[in-house]
Amino acid sequence: SQQGEEDPQALSIQEGENATMNCSYKTSINNLQWYRQNSGRGLVHLILIRSNEREKHSGRLRVTLDTSKKSSSLLITASRAADTASYFCAFQGGSEKLVFGKGTKLTVNP
Amino acid sequence: DAGVTQSPTHLIKTRGQQVTLRCSPKSGHDTVSWYQQALGQGPQFIFQYYEEEERQRGNFPDRFSGHQFPNYSSELNVNALLLGDSALYLCASSWGTGRDTEAFFGQGTRLTVV
Repeated sequence: SQQGEEDPQALSIQEGENATMNCSYKTSINNLQWYRQNSGRGLVHLILIRSNEREKHSGRLRVTLDTSKKSSSLLITASRAADTASYFCAFQGGSEKLVFGKGTKLTVNP
Repeated sequence: DAGVTQSPTHLIKTRGQQVTLRCSPKSGHDTVSWYQQALGQGPQFIFQYYEEEERQRGNFPDRFSGHQFPNYSSELNVNALLLGDSALYLCASSWGTGRDTEAFFGQGTRLTVV
C-alpha cells in the first residue's frame, strides 16, 4: 500500500513535555507534510518538508526527514493542552495527490 | 480572507439516494481536491479539479463524480449511496498544480447514510 504509517497510534503526555510522532512510507516522495485535525473536523497544515531537506522548524515544531529510511518525525516541544488533536503525515510522490497515514492521536493532560 | 468553505456541515441521507456537496476554495486558489475520511482513518484522495477538468482520480467508483465551475468552486456528487459512504468529506484548495504546493482544507461535510 502507498499509505503512510504513523507511530504511535496514540500518545498521552503531560503539559510541558515534548511529543514525538513518527511517520514511515514506502515510495519515493517529493515532499512530506504534517497536518493537525481537531475533533474530526478540518485539517490544518503545519509544515512541509521537501525531499532534499533534512530538518525544518516552525515555532515549537521540528520536523525531520530521512529519505534513506523513508521516515519522518514531528516533534512538538513544551506541549500545551491546546495541542491535543490528531496528527497526520501526508506525502506527495509521483503525483500531486496527498497520501495520508492513519494518524497519531495526541492527548496533552493539563 | 475567507478560507475554504464547505456546505453543508452535516447531512443525513438514505441508502440509494444521491448527494451533492459543495466547496468554495480559498481566495486566489484555482485547484480543488476532494478527500474522504472514514472514522478513525486518514483522508483518502477522491479526485482533483483544475481548469474545470478532472486531472487526477483516486481509487473510487464512478458513483463519485465532480464538477468545477468557472469561479473555481466545486461540487462532489455521490450516486446510489451505500452505508459505507458515511464519512467526513474534505475539500482542499491550492494554487496551481505543481508539486510542493500547500493545500488548505475546509472543515468538511459529515455525511451519514442510513
